[in-house]
Amino acid sequence: GAGVSQTPSNKVTEKGKYVELRCDPISGHTALYWYRQSLGQGPEFLIYFQGTGAADDSGLPNDRFFAVRPEGSVSTLKIQRTERGDSAVYLCASSLVGNTDTQYFGPGTRLTVL
Amino acid sequence: SQQGEEDPQALSIQEGENATMNCSYKTSINNLQWYRQNSGRGLVHLILIRSNEREKHSGRLRVTLDTSKKSSSLLITASRAADTASYFCATDAVEETSGSRLTFGEGTQLTVNP
Repeated sequence: GAGVSQTPSNKVTEKGKYVELRCDPISGHTALYWYRQSLGQGPEFLIYFQGTGAADDSGLPNDRFFAVRPEGSVSTLKIQRTERGDSAVYLCASSLVGNTDTQYFGPGTRLTVL
Repeated sequence: SQQGEEDPQALSIQEGENATMNCSYKTSINNLQWYRQNSGRGLVHLILIRSNEREKHSGRLRVTLDTSKKSSSLLITASRAADTASYFCATDAVEETSGSRLTFGEGTQLTVNP
């Protein structure tokens, strides 16, 4: 079956703009995760969804970041008033249930804030 | 310090040689996973080892886990140029009751020279 997909693959925006990043998890996976990866670093956790609800959003850096998963499948990560420091690769992962399951990652969205 | 720290940071070997990467972590874990990443994009899941397992094999990969030392190693045997990539270990902490947010190290950049 299809893996995790993310769109767009690249996004260039200007400082202060609003962006939305989309993630399509593997069909049937109830758990969905967002991570952010800066150059030369490992991914850092942002938020975890179990079904439609955000079970853990403790990794979101500030209130400019928000994510939704209204129907328990596709998720959108939203960043308001983007800053140059938001530039990174945003990775989405899904797992069948959560809690110790293997997480399968998408190809990521490379966000560049000018 | 960060959970899931790999060493070495960079490793360069000749094709056919074995490559060993190490990972240390700090808290009690449910499982430890190894991922591979090419060109800073999506992560490919390699292997998951649970806290009650000591060794696991998958093809040319061998992973060990020593929970008493809070460390793991990834061995790639008979390396190929195509194994060139960054390798990350990721852990999920026992304390994380709301799902398995993964904590990644900074990775080992492996270069296999033809």
